[in-house]
Amino acid sequence: EPEVTQTPSHQVTQMGQEVILRCVPISNHLYFYWYRQILGQKVEFLVSFYNNEISEKSEIFDDQFSVERPDGSNFTLKIRSTKLEDSAMYFCASSEYRDQPQHFGDGTRLSIL
Amino acid sequence: QQQVKQSPQSLIVQKGGISIINCAYENTAFDYFPWYQQFPGKGPALLIAIRPDVSEKKEGRFTISFNKSAKQFSLHIMDSQPGDSATYFCAASGWAGNNRKLIWGLGTSLAVNP
Repeated sequence: EPEVTQTPSHQVTQMGQEVILRCVPISNHLYFYWYRQILGQKVEFLVSFYNNEISEKSEIFDDQFSVERPDGSNFTLKIRSTKLEDSAMYFCASSEYRDQPQHFGDGTRLSIL
Repeated sequence: QQQVKQSPQSLIVQKGGISIINCAYENTAFDYFPWYQQFPGKGPALLIAIRPDVSEKKEGRFTISFNKSAKQFSLHIMDSQPGDSATYFCAASGWAGNNRKLIWGLGTSLAVNP
């Protein structure tokens, strides 16, 4: 069964550094999402992306965050200058159409030191 | 208005028993209610979902009951098995621009004792 792939599984970064989290959505999917989960807290929506542009973003998704689909297969989340509070599990998801279920990757655990 | 409240936080059930997890939402614009199952080290996997035009949906041992007037929905796992031990998340979805975004409950850690 096709799946969403995320790399790396664990990223450790010094505070203030830039980090790029990578996702390969399911190949025929057109809608892409990033969510995050701080340890012990709920999963939170960050951003949705369609047709090479952001459709919706949450208040968490401030100027230090950006997303990109650099080629036909990858979908990336960049955090420009990481903060301690960015430490979380980041999940990428994709759906075939906008009203279809979202399928999730296994996440990237981001640890900011 | 964007919250989804989930209970209990943790649940222990004997093998063969019924596991029940409850969720409540506030925003009447939500029109899609999925349940996700998550095993340690893995991402959430869609288990079952319901839309508000039906009051119940059953898939195998998993049933969603939906009460639109009370703005509540619940997951019932019949004949619970040790392999069902996982974290379960309810979510609610509405439109955000051209896409849907999921608003998540806090999760329920289910342990099924053999």
